[in-house]
Amino acid sequence: AQSVTQLDSHVSVSEGTPVLLRCNYSSSYSPSLFWYVQHPNKGLQLLLKYTSAATLVKGINGFEAEFKKSETSFHLTKPSAHMSDAAEYFCVVTPPHYGGSQGNLIFGKGTKLSVKP
Amino acid sequence: DAGVIQSPRHEVTEMGQEVTLRCKPISGHNSLFWYRQTMMRGLELLIYFNNNVPIDDSGMPEDRFSAKMPNASFSTLKIQPSEPRDSAVYFCASRRQGGSYNSPLHFGNGTRLTVT
Repeated sequence: AQSVTQLDSHVSVSEGTPVLLRCNYSSSYSPSLFWYVQHPNKGLQLLLKYTSAATLVKGINGFEAEFKKSETSFHLTKPSAHMSDAAEYFCVVTPPHYGGSQGNLIFGKGTKLSVKP
Repeated sequence: DAGVIQSPRHEVTEMGQEVTLRCKPISGHNSLFWYRQTMMRGLELLIYFNNNVPIDDSGMPEDRFSAKMPNASFSTLKIQPSEPRDSAVYFCASRRQGGSYNSPLHFGNGTRLTVT
């Protein structure tokens, strides 16, 4: 069985300071992992994806995430927050093969990121 | 790439009326998903299709909800009769599914439904 836990429902940072959004997963298989961002009144947009290639994955807008199998984590980071990063972020886990319930996609409950001037 | 296209963007209707939401997936994608998002419950999967066939509809709330995918380029989600508790943002998403690699989901911009 798979699951994903986003440890913080809300994170607040000051502009220019680092961002850390935490995600832990549980999977019977070597998973694929994704981070999505949702700005207000918009759909979810893919930030980055891990699919068993390099463990450090770079995404759009300066975000990156590191897959750590020993810690079953896939935390999202950015060195310096920008006001435009304020949004909700979702971590998603899926096994490498398709099929099954939920389409194999398990969404975390989301982390709202606030950026203070 | 036009992305996933949903219509309408906003829908306001009265309780008891029929509502139809529409989705055009990205060309070449063979899986289509309908999600509902509310403040209280977050993002919920309602139903998903592979190659136009419904695979898992366990998330459909009740018989008032139905979804169809008559061909690879079009899907509808219908609510009949609608109720105020159906008010939410409904997202359609598509992906290319198969083989040993799952491509990510691509989401539309959603339909904001308000039932009064």
